[in-house]
Amino acid sequence: NAGVMQNPRHLVRRRGQEARLRCSPMKGHSHVYWYRQLPEEGLKFMVYLQKENIIDESGMPKERFSAEFPKEGPSILRIQQVVRGDSAAYFCASSPQVQGWNTEAFFGQGTRLTVV
Amino acid sequence: DQQVKQNSPSLSVQEGRISILNCDYTNSMFDYFLWYKKYPAEGPTFLISISSIKDKNEDGRFTVFLNKSAKHLSLHIVPSQPGDSAVYFCAASANANTGFQKLVFGTGTRLLVSP
Repeated sequence: NAGVMQNPRHLVRRRGQEARLRCSPMKGHSHVYWYRQLPEEGLKFMVYLQKENIIDESGMPKERFSAEFPKEGPSILRIQQVVRGDSAAYFCASSPQVQGWNTEAFFGQGTRLTVV
Repeated sequence: DQQVKQNSPSLSVQEGRISILNCDYTNSMFDYFLWYKKYPAEGPTFLISISSIKDKNEDGRFTVFLNKSAKHLSLHIVPSQPGDSAVYFCAASANANTGFQKLVFGTGTRLLVSP
């Protein structure tokens, strides 16, 4: 049973380009979360999605950032017109259908975005 | 506004001794707390959790204590092993019985266990 798969592991983009980060949740998991870790900081929640639905995007910057989790295929975090401040590690996590207290989220290895 | 705080950025412990990692929170709505371990260039790995209806949870060498009145939790690792060297993140969520893992993370404590 493969874990949460993120690709690419490393992504370099020039200012103004678009960045697409992909996340395939664990088999059987229908909930996906995206977190961002800036240097020397903890992980910050960005968005929570279920298949074809955005449930909570309260942590997403208002502009340039979008996320989707289509019926088929991986979840995509898209950053348009990247700026140097977008450089960070982006982590995806997945969890199974809501079961109560012990629904831990499992994290992928992250995508390290560098904007030059 | 840092709702989850880990005030010690680093901790050094000798192998075999106890490691105690601390975490404080400010939001009284938090009702589920987790500890994650993270190695460089990897994602966080779930370690242990505790709900607000308990004050202690134990799993092998790892024990988490929760003091709700002080809004404080701690992770005890005993005995510590060199393989425990990593960054440890404390995280919290509210309304955990919905299963929605919108976690608020602390900034992490780097643990170094020396042989």
